[in-house]
Amino acid sequence: VQLLESGGGLVQPGGSLRLSCTTSGFIFSNYAMTWVRQAPGKGLEWVSGISTSGGSAYYADSVKGRFTISRDNSKNTLYLQMNSLRAEDTAVYYCAKAGPPTFGSAFDFWGQGTMVTVSS
Amino acid sequence: DIQLTQSPSFLSASVGDRVTITCRASQGINSYLAWYQQKPGKAPKLLIYAASTLQSGVPSRFSGSGSGTEFTLTISSLQPEDFATYYCQELNRFGGGTKVEIK
Repeated sequence: VQLLESGGGLVQPGGSLRLSCTTSGFIFSNYAMTWVRQAPGKGLEWVSGISTSGGSAYYADSVKGRFTISRDNSKNTLYLQMNSLRAEDTAVYYCAKAGPPTFGSAFDFWGQGTMVTVSS
Repeated sequence: DIQLTQSPSFLSASVGDRVTITCRASQGINSYLAWYQQKPGKAPKLLIYAASTLQSGVPSRFSGSGSGTEFTLTISSLQPEDFATYYCQELNRFGGGTKVEIK
């Protein structure tokens, strides 16, 4: 199993970025996926999750209305469109795979993360 | 909203010590609690899921227990590679983390 994030970088406040998470080694369409972020020196914060089909999406209050999660099961890829970015969105963004149902809500595989810096 | 509170937030221990980290939920939660280990500059690694089930490949010195509002992660004999930060998680919630450092 491999998850590889890309698309991070430096962006000005109010700007946009789209993160991608390219996956391999498992049947992508069978698993829910999530984005988790970690601000410098801080703990983990769940950002957004999406169902297997993409029909259901969930967001933390801190990003609701600004971020959009999506997936392309034909490309085994997860996305996070981030608009109206703020300084407090500065963090390493990880994509993570939901485990099988017996795992409860645990995330069994994670990408290496991509850094997003929001600064003028 | 349900909050997950870990204690302690910082722990200093020696190799060979038995270490216990607690995760308390502000309301009763199901047993879908997971524990992760994170080392500096690395992604979190799943250790325990469903409160007490060891993830494949994780050493047996790690164990989890608990139900309702109180859950624990125990390392029976701390090894040098275990010095890291540990997080509990349930659904869209993470605990604040426990940093385990060398005494």
